Amino acid sequence: GAVVSQHPSRVICKSGTSVKIECRSLDFQATTMFWYRQFPKKSLMLMATSNEGSKATYEQGVEKDKFLINHASLTLSTLTVTSAHPEDSSFYICSVLRRNEQFFGPGTRLTVL
Amino acid sequence: AQKITQTQPGMFVQEKEAVTLDCTYDTSDQSYGLFWYKQPSSGEMIFLIYQGSYDEQNATEGRYSLNFQKARKSANLVISASQLGDSAMYFCAMREGYLRNTPLVFGKGTRLSVIA
Repeated sequence: GAVVSQHPSRVICKSGTSVKIECRSLDFQATTMFWYRQFPKKSLMLMATSNEGSKATYEQGVEKDKFLINHASLTLSTLTVTSAHPEDSSFYICSVLRRNEQFFGPGTRLTVL
Repeated sequence: AQKITQTQPGMFVQEKEAVTLDCTYDTSDQSYGLFWYKQPSSGEMIFLIYQGSYDEQNATEGRYSLNFQKARKSANLVISASQLGDSAMYFCAMREGYLRNTPLVFGKGTRLSVIA
């Protein structure tokens, strides 16, 4: 069965609005979650590492004020795209570690009009 | 420098034939892990196979095997007896270091098309 869930799976919003994406680990506690971004026909690019109870670690070039990450519990991390613009349109995927394996959520396709 | 290099943007294979997807990596760590994922058009990332840097045997999982050549820093994926359902993007990835909470770094991927 699924190890990681993401919600919503698809979202379309107007430019200037904020969008929140939830990532949940199912049936286990995840102290570390990762957020990736994937442009069409491109690879997954790591955006940030989300740690429960502490601030997220962002990769170089990722605006922390633009992409707010909150890891409030051991089963939930959220990514908020603030004041979204068309260039933020992408496929966002969260990932969690369980033992030696990295499991991925089903992804969220964001389209900003 | 790129950590993971996949030089084949696209590959075609006849159904029931075997295909090799190339992957080379770059790391100075002695301890690392290599992964292959499949991504169909739905977008989900499906874990296929894992090879640890200290594993002496090549990893195998059903029709998937990993041709691990440590000296060449290559970790090619071999899919035997290709099926139409194998058509997808395939990503090679690496986790560096001893700590298991470091994230995976991905290559650019190879799009595999299986022809009937």
